Amino acid sequence: DTEVTQTPKHLVMGMTNKKSLKCEQHMGHRAMYWYKQKAKKPPELMFVYSYEKLSINESVPSRFSPECPNSSLLNLHLHALQPEDSALYLCASSQAYGFSSYEQYFGPGTRLTVT
Amino acid sequence: AQKVTQAQTEISVVEKEDVTLDCVYETRDTTYYLFWYKQPPSGELVFLIRRNSFDEQNEISGRYSWNFQKSTSSFNFTITASQVVDSAVYFCALSVGLETSGSRLTFGEGTQLTVNP
Repeated sequence: DTEVTQTPKHLVMGMTNKKSLKCEQHMGHRAMYWYKQKAKKPPELMFVYSYEKLSINESVPSRFSPECPNSSLLNLHLHALQPEDSALYLCASSQAYGFSSYEQYFGPGTRLTVT
Repeated sequence: AQKVTQAQTEISVVEKEDVTLDCVYETRDTTYYLFWYKQPPSGELVFLIRRNSFDEQNEISGRYSWNFQKSTSSFNFTITASQVVDSAVYFCALSVGLETSGSRLTFGEGTQLTVNP
């Protein structure tokens, strides 16, 4: 099973709202990722969790707050977003052994609109 | 720093034609990994292939084939006898391993492939 699930599929939120995106995988992967993708652009890495610890934060604004409650779950908490944060948010997971780089499996994404 | 260039922004072919998507990469690392992903209109990125820098063997999987040439820093992707379902954006990506495990993918800008019936 190479499935990564994400909820919700679509989200519309106001600039004062607080919401969360959820991601789940059951492949036993110990690295999980959040990406942001704007239309007609490649995904941009936001965060990397390795063995449930935040290992990379690509200078993402603090209005995005990641959380990894356990090895299968990854959340992205959203607060006071701006309209320019509207995008497709993708979660991915991969194996994580040593210095090797393994393929990442992506979820279907959450299409976020900030009004 | 890593860089991936996909010079073809858009390609349009007629069904059953063969099509090659180009990918050129730059890295100073001797150990690196190359990937291709497909993103259909639904939005989900689908993993197609992973290659490490020490394995230059070409690979064929059904109608898909990949040509890895270190001498020209290229990792090209060919679809034989294209089908309408192949219509998607295709991303080439490069990664080096991280000390903390996991990986950081450097994506190309993508090539939009449209296969017309």
